[in-house]
Amino acid sequence: DAKTTQPPSMDCAEGRAANLPCNHSTISGNEYVYWYRQIHSQGPQYIIHGLKNNETNEMASLIITEDRKSSTLILPHATLRDTAVYYCIVRAYGGSQGNLIFGKGTKLSVKP
Amino acid sequence: EPEVTQTPSHQVTQMGQEVILRCVPISNHLYFYWYRQILGQKVEFLVSFYNNEISEKSEIFDDQFSVERPDGSNFTLKIRSTKLEDSAMYFCASSVEGVGEKLFFGSGTQLSVL
Repeated sequence: DAKTTQPPSMDCAEGRAANLPCNHSTISGNEYVYWYRQIHSQGPQYIIHGLKNNETNEMASLIITEDRKSSTLILPHATLRDTAVYYCIVRAYGGSQGNLIFGKGTKLSVKP
Repeated sequence: EPEVTQTPSHQVTQMGQEVILRCVPISNHLYFYWYRQILGQKVEFLVSFYNNEISEKSEIFDDQFSVERPDGSNFTLKIRSTKLEDSAMYFCASSVEGVGEKLFFGSGTQLSVL
């Protein structure tokens, strides 16, 4: 699975959009980009995933660049409850059975 | 919303003792996993389980570890002879399909080995 690079930490004002970047320059054609988050040592929570098209769900939007070497997770209106560590994970669809490789992620702090 | 349930939330044991961590995955899910997170470190994959057998395991999952689905609802992780370095938060997860599908994680069992 391709390696990802994320900033270690970011701050965001409550109510503003949080834009979390992820670099995955060695991504392969069959690899998807997944985002999970972990709120204060709870179990990781799935947010969104995508291949090459931008994706949106009730939690967030995922913007993937045309060359697929980077992506941005957008939380449109961050709340205090969005304070968490956000993990960008790249893995093949059709690869190993659920073996997600978590990096250190980005610690997002949403401030009032 | 359905959720993965783990018990107990905290487990304290003496080094060398056997411990069993229990999980109830979401009812229609077919794939089950254990991950762990040592305090301050990354979340690490331990094992995946499908159709009553292990489908993949990491180097961490050595002979001291075993998993079982004893009935139609529970999924357990057994550590045969605990070591100090087994102290960690253990997360159970499940998914409908194994590959590419989102995993649903439980809230974890904090294992402390003294």
